[in-house]
Amino acid sequence: NAGVTQTPKFQVLKTGQSMTLQCAQDMNHNSMYWYRQDPGMGLRLIYYSASEGTTDKGEVPNGYNVSRLNKREFSLRLESAAPSQTSVYFCASRGVGSGANVLTFGAGSRLTVL
Amino acid sequence: QQQVKQSPQSLIVQKGGISIINCAYENTAFDYFPWYQQFPGKGPALLIAIRPDVSEKKEGRFTISFNKSAKQFSLHIMDSQPGDSATYFCAATFSGGYNKLIFGAGTRLAVHP
Repeated sequence: NAGVTQTPKFQVLKTGQSMTLQCAQDMNHNSMYWYRQDPGMGLRLIYYSASEGTTDKGEVPNGYNVSRLNKREFSLRLESAAPSQTSVYFCASRGVGSGANVLTFGAGSRLTVL
Repeated sequence: QQQVKQSPQSLIVQKGGISIINCAYENTAFDYFPWYQQFPGKGPALLIAIRPDVSEKKEGRFTISFNKSAKQFSLHIMDSQPGDSATYFCAATFSGGYNKLIFGAGTRLAVHP
């Protein structure tokens, strides 16, 4: 049972380059999330998908796009990377019922934009 | 806009001591307050959570104390162990609003042997 899997784990980009972070969960969760973690800022929500076919902006959506490809997969795209997007990105998912109040996080993707 | 303020930013405790991390919130509509624990190189994981209908919740060595009137809640780690060394995040949201969970800035805890 892998939980939430993120790829890649590390990436270095030059300013202006584009890339997509991939996320997949095998827990049959409806909701999926992308957060960024920066020192002294905690975890900030970029985008979320409450269910397959829907996506919504979080606290810091500018410069990002997302795609909920199917129930398992939720990708985050940077169209034109900027140094301010240097961060650690976490994907998370959330189930229903007894798991409705629990976020399950992936191991993170560390992105550096030069 | 930081709706959940967490302190201290870092904390050093000796093995066997008590670790205390504090959080304060602004939105009185918040009614669910989880704590997440993050080890280096890993994603955060739910540690313990509380709702404001109780003033304290204990799970093993971990206790949440909640003060509704002061809009504050804290995590106490009793008999702190080196294995507790991690970053701790408090968070808050309201019923039906879990898609907008608000995290504090985090506290890096180091427990020295």
